[in-house]
Formats: sequence, C-alpha cells, structure tokens
Amino acid sequence: AQKITQTQPGMFVQEKEAVTLDCTYDTSDPSYGLFWYKQPSSGEMIFLIYQGSYDQQNATEGRYSLNFQKARKSANLVISASQLGDSAMYFCAMREMQGGSEKLVFGKGTKLTVNP
Amino acid sequence: NAGVTQTPKFQVLKTGQSMTLQCAQDMNHEYMSWYRQDPGMGLRLIHYSVGAGITDQGEVPNGYNVSRSTTEDFPLRLLSAAPSQTSVYFCASSSGLAGVSWEQYFGPGTRLTVT
Repeated sequence: AQKITQTQPGMFVQEKEAVTLDCTYDTSDPSYGLFWYKQPSSGEMIFLIYQGSYDQQNATEGRYSLNFQKARKSANLVISASQLGDSAMYFCAMREMQGGSEKLVFGKGTKLTVNP
Repeated sequence: NAGVTQTPKFQVLKTGQSMTLQCAQDMNHEYMSWYRQDPGMGLRLIHYSVGAGITDQGEVPNGYNVSRSTTEDFPLRLLSAAPSQTSVYFCASSSGLAGVSWEQYFGPGTRLTVT
C-alpha cells in the first residue's frame, strides 16, 4: 500500500497567487515526520519544510507553510504569493521507524507551473 | 563545508559492467542513504546505513551492494549493470537524532544510463 499519496500530478497557478499541494500519508507509527522537498529542473533536491507528528503548531518557513491535519492524515504544502521560480516538482515524504531503523518514503510528486 | 558530494555526475555503462557510485559527506552524519529516481515514481530507497559498519536494505535493493566503513563515505556498487538500472541516483545524509532537525541533505545526483 502506498504510504505517501500525492493526487495532483500537475498544478498550475498564477504568479502572486497562493497554491496548495496535497499530500496524504499512511502510518501506524505514533512518531513520524513529514517533509516537503522541491526539485527544480536542474535536478537537486531542496528541503523546504518539516513537521513532526507531535508538533502542536503547523510548520512555517517563509512563504511555505504546512497544513497538518493529523486526524485526516494530511500534510498539504501551501505556497503563498507564488513566484516564477517556484515552478518545479514538489515531493512529500514521510520519516518513520521500521524494524528499528529510520526510513524516508516519498510520494510520486506534483509538478507545479507558475504562470506570469 | 561541502555537504553531500557524489561522483560521477554522469555515467554510461554497458549491460553487465560493474561500477561504484561514490558518496561522501562532511557533516558527521550517522544516517546515509541511497535513492533512485525514475520518471513518475518519485524517489525510492535502495539501501541505507545508520552508522559505520551498519547497512540495511530499502525498498529496491536488488542488483546493488553497499558498505559503510567510515562515517563519511557510503559507496553504492552495481555488480552487473542492467538497462532497468538506468536512473538518477541520489545520496542523502541526516543526523538522525531525536530532537534535532530531521532534514535530509541530498547530493547533486548521478545520472546513470545502461545500454
């Protein structure tokens, strides 16, 4: 069963508007973490934001915020005031303990295109 | 502080050839891992290590070997390359310590083509 689901293969947004990228996850581990990474066309993986399962408040980093709804097992990324440079692939990932070791599981990604 | 470095950046192999993808980090991270990225598949974990001398299999380990003799280095070996191993390979590291940032630092990737 897929542990991280990103249901939007592609998203389009106008420059300066906000956009939400969806991510749902599946785990029975009470201690886990959720990440979002950005991958521009140049290929590198850029860490954006992290949310721990016990964190009481939603994580924010500049224009990025994570809408964490634990009961619904969702961890959507919100990008405010989109910029042309935000056009990239975005990956949601979950850190969980399996067999005593930490593993990171990625979703298949969402391609975001910001239009001028 | 170079972070995570990978060599080579690009490689073309013939079926059956062997090679080693190099990965090194200078952040004294205990946790290191290898992923492959294929179109439409996201990143999939190949092998990982929680410290020197300790390695374990990820989601797609077949056809790959790893070892971790030092904290800094985590090479990935392809024993007999197959066209199905054509992919982009990422190495990553993190401190893996509870209460500390769980951020995984990624290398720039190696684009491998097997013909």
